[in-house]
Amino acid sequence: AQTVTQSQPEMSVQEAETVTLSCTYDTSESNYYLFWYKQPPSRQMILVIRQEAYKQQNATENRFSVNFQKAAKSFSLKISDSQLGDTAMYFCAFIRQGAQKLVFGQGTRLTINP
Amino acid sequence: DTGVSQDPRHKITKRGQNVTFRCDPISEHNRLYWYRQTLGQGPEFLTYFQNEAQLEKSRLLSDRFSAERPKGSFSTLEIQRTEQGDSAMYLCASSSTGTWGGYTFGSGTRLTVV
Repeated sequence: AQTVTQSQPEMSVQEAETVTLSCTYDTSESNYYLFWYKQPPSRQMILVIRQEAYKQQNATENRFSVNFQKAAKSFSLKISDSQLGDTAMYFCAFIRQGAQKLVFGQGTRLTINP
Repeated sequence: DTGVSQDPRHKITKRGQNVTFRCDPISEHNRLYWYRQTLGQGPEFLTYFQNEAQLEKSRLLSDRFSAERPKGSFSTLEIQRTEQGDSAMYLCASSSTGTWGGYTFGSGTRLTVV
């Protein structure tokens, strides 16, 4: 079974700083996808960024980028120039190719302070 | 398109009562998922539908839980004889075929069993 671990329950940074959220996962699969989802206080989960395991290039979406280390089974999220609207729970998630079940980590509560 | 809608947003019920939640997915999405999220945890997979067929159920989905998607559009999740341990956020998500893990989530239904 796949597991996803987020070792940072809470993080707090000042606005405009850069912050990195950590995620590790365990799987014997070679083809899979990794995701970061954001859940603001209003509770609707929003997809932030997606990484295909077969791609060596790290995914980037505007201020959000990932550091995907396949051999180490590590998938961290970097938020540059953080904004107050980035305050949310962030969940790392895994899905193996062909499956329909997303496996989530425990989440990291990120607070951006003015 | 208004996204994934869930109703009600909040439900308080007495232990032993039955409750039913509704999810309206994005109209062109053929896949629909139910997840449960307890406080401070990541969402856990409950079940998924492709069109009207329920193709996978988690062991978390005890015999008190039943989900339907009768016409391949909206879905209902019923919990019979509710227990305090059923208190959680119930999340619905939808996607199109081939969108591995890139789901659109609803805002959830918060269930409190007293």
